[in-house]
Amino acid sequence: EVQLLESGGGLVQPGGSLRLSCAASGFTIGSYAMSWVRQAPGKGLEWVSAISGNSDTTRIADSVKGRFTISRDSSKNTLYLQMNSLRADDTAVYYCAKDPNRWFLYLDSWGQGTLVTVSS
Amino acid sequence: EIVMTQSPATLSVSPGERATLSCRASQSVGSNLAWYQQKPGQAPRLLMYGVSTRATGIPASFSGSGSGTEFTLTISSLQSEDFAVYYCQQFHDWPYTFGQGTKLEIK
Repeated sequence: EVQLLESGGGLVQPGGSLRLSCAASGFTIGSYAMSWVRQAPGKGLEWVSAISGNSDTTRIADSVKGRFTISRDSSKNTLYLQMNSLRADDTAVYYCAKDPNRWFLYLDSWGQGTLVTVSS
Repeated sequence: EIVMTQSPATLSVSPGERATLSCRASQSVGSNLAWYQQKPGQAPRLLMYGVSTRATGIPASFSGSGSGTEFTLTISSLQSEDFAVYYCQQFHDWPYTFGQGTKLEIK
């Protein structure tokens, strides 16, 4: 069974940093594209970043470009999102999600999310 | 960026009736469209991909149609567990984008 478990969220001051982790089980993350999608309170979904199955291609939303970095550690079967220079409008639940193959398509499995709150 | 527009924002339907949700893309996305369902406090769940292919475990009461810029998700006979928010998503061109959602509520 595919499982994704996010961690690392919390309260951070504007300008601060956080690193989100997504521990995967039931599959090998190196064989699939993986993504981070966020949802601000009461709002819709925004695709933040994605990494291809062989890790040679990444995609990043303009809203976080230059501040967020996606990566993975295949030895730990874990996906990461490094978030720097955080702003109030980055406040959201961040979901880790899996694609059905090595390239970016749609998301067939999701974690339960981790809440990031940016506030002073 | 391809803008996805869903209508209506809220749809009130009685259990057992049919619900029809619409999604429009600002430019053609071919058949590169998916639908998700999200219930309060839960993560989204994949319903459909490639416009009309149901994801694993999704009942036949859900169907999708359309191509290019106009798409429809139909739920043929609403069950209590179907009342949720539904999102369409294009995977034709990065940045992949979602619609703003349609809330399906009990009438």
